[in-house]
Amino acid sequence: SQELEQSPQSLIVQEGKNLTINCTSSKTLYGLYWYKQKYGEGLIFLMMLQKGGEEKSHEKITAKLDEKKQQSSLHITASQPSHAGIYLCGADSGNQFYFGTGTSLTVIP
Amino acid sequence: ETGVTQSPTHLIKTRGQQVTLRCSSQSGHNTVSWYQQALGQGPQFIFQYYREEENGRGNFPPRFSGLQFPNYSSELNVNALELDDSALYLCASSPVIGSGYGYTFGSGTRLTVV
Repeated sequence: SQELEQSPQSLIVQEGKNLTINCTSSKTLYGLYWYKQKYGEGLIFLMMLQKGGEEKSHEKITAKLDEKKQQSSLHITASQPSHAGIYLCGADSGNQFYFGTGTSLTVIP
Repeated sequence: ETGVTQSPTHLIKTRGQQVTLRCSSQSGHNTVSWYQQALGQGPQFIFQYYREEENGRGNFPPRFSGLQFPNYSSELNVNALELDDSALYLCASSPVIGSGYGYTFGSGTRLTVV
């Protein structure tokens, strides 16, 4: 089965600082999803990367996919308290979806 | 605003009982999947349905079963509840099977087994 390891496990940053979350897969990535979750709530789809080298941005969040390294990174520029939550990467194997271990982000005003 | 709704939002059951959780997908989404999320962990895939048939299953015992209906609604049934079944249960729908379109998640049902 595919495993997705995220790092760091948790992150506390001052408002305005940049940060990066990594997601490393145990198998070749054919597509990688990023979601955000507020505590105890459903997941919000952020973006999906399909091709090696692909980079997508949404507001102040940018995600990249490095197929060779079987890794994706999520970068937040000038973090705000609204960015706080749990970030999850996910991969779809066709008939099963795997989530990463999650990264908890706290942004201090 | 999510197009996937789940009910109930919270539920308390006794060990050994049976429970049915419901999910209403977005219209046109013929793929639905269910996940179990224990406190402090990432969601774990339970199973996926495509056009009313199960087409993928995670590492969950047979007492976890599901149904998908033509009206884009679905159910997750859990028999013989155990304390470890206490978790947030999420359903997600997608317009097509497989990658590319993302999954829309509901807000979840918080199940507590006592």
